[in-house]
Amino acid sequence: DTEVTQTPKHLVMGMTNKKSLKCEQHMGHRAMYWYKQKAKKPPELMFVYSYEKLSINESVPSRFSPECPNSSLLNLHLHALQPEDSALYLCASSQASGGALETQYFGPGTRLLVL
Amino acid sequence: AQKITQTQPGMFVQEKEAVTLDCTYDTSDQSYGLFWYKQPSSGEMIFLIYQGSYDEQNATEGRYSLNFQKARKSANLVISASQLGDSAMYFCAMRESLFGNEKLTFGTGTRLTIIP
Repeated sequence: DTEVTQTPKHLVMGMTNKKSLKCEQHMGHRAMYWYKQKAKKPPELMFVYSYEKLSINESVPSRFSPECPNSSLLNLHLHALQPEDSALYLCASSQASGGALETQYFGPGTRLLVL
Repeated sequence: AQKITQTQPGMFVQEKEAVTLDCTYDTSDQSYGLFWYKQPSSGEMIFLIYQGSYDEQNATEGRYSLNFQKARKSANLVISASQLGDSAMYFCAMRESLFGNEKLTFGTGTRLTIIP
């Protein structure tokens, strides 16, 4: 089973709202990722968690706050977003074996619209 | 400098024909992995196939095969007997074996359209 689930599928929020995106995997993977993808562009890495610890933050603005409550769950808390933050947010997971052949498996994404 | 280059922004292919999607890469690492993902309009990134830098044989996975030419630093995806459901965006990606680096570097993608 290579399933990564994400909720919600779609989200519309105002610039003053607080919302959260959720990601879950049950493949026993110990690395989880958040990516942001604008239309017609490749995904851009935002955060990486390895063994529930934040290992990479790609200089993401503080209005995005990741959280990894356990090895199966990854959240992305959103606060005071800007319209330019509207994008597809993809979650991914991998084994965290550290090898070059480690495959990342992606969820279906959350389409976020900030008004 | 671009680490992954996909030179075909869009391709149109007749159904049942084979199609090759180009990907070239740049790395000084000896150990690296090359991946292909398919992204339909629904948005999900679907893993298709991977090739390790030390693999001597080209990877195959069903109708997908990876034409790996290490000296030319190319990792082209070949889809045999294309189907309408193959219409999607295709991304080539590379993972380098750098300590503590879990990053995938993506190319800009190729939009493939299969014509009935």
